Amino acid sequence: SQKIEQNSEALNIQEGKTATLTCNYTNYSPAYLQWYRQDPGRGPVFLLLIRENEKEKRKERLKVTFDTTLKQSLFHITASQPADSATYLCAFSLSGGYNKLIFGAGTRLAVHP
Amino acid sequence: GAVVSQHPSRVICKSGTSVKIECRSLDFQATTMFWYRQFPKKSLMLMATSNEGSKATYEQGVEKDKFLINHASLTLSTLTVTSAHPEDSSFYICSAQDGFSGNTIYFGEGSWLTVV
Repeated sequence: SQKIEQNSEALNIQEGKTATLTCNYTNYSPAYLQWYRQDPGRGPVFLLLIRENEKEKRKERLKVTFDTTLKQSLFHITASQPADSATYLCAFSLSGGYNKLIFGAGTRLAVHP
Repeated sequence: GAVVSQHPSRVICKSGTSVKIECRSLDFQATTMFWYRQFPKKSLMLMATSNEGSKATYEQGVEKDKFLINHASLTLSTLTVTSAHPEDSSFYICSAQDGFSGNTIYFGEGSWLTVV
């Protein structure tokens, strides 16, 4: 069955450093991969979408890469700030729907001053 | 920006009763809405996909008679948890797809259900 894994349940870094989160998938070749931010008790907020024919996407301090050979996406936050502390979810679209998403379990990022 | 509103944000109900959660797209028409549930520190699990005016499509393992989904208009979908049990306690989240504007998707803020 299709599976998506985020390899760290939690990640702690110092303010100003770059946070790198990993998302791996198996038994599927997604056309799109998406990253979301979720704060405790809130719904996910869309951050970035990357297509299978795109190697890299950037948005302000965020960067996402998509390696279809490794079946992996990396999500980077540069110059991290305490306000970046949250859970970050990766998700890919299931067949049959652009936004019918299967989510990874998420990585809780904590940025310390 | 586009907003998806869920109501109620928190609800407590007694075992055996039914509870309805609403999901509204406030400034766009949602051709498709999705319902997820999330347990603490776990991922979102897709429960069903609902298209306006037609029956919802449920994911494997989700009881359609237990979780009734209605998508009667382009701005409203409802999830009714029938004969609720404590194990139904969870965080329920909807998302809405703006099918008229590039299929952008927006998530609601979620609804906490506690069954006592």
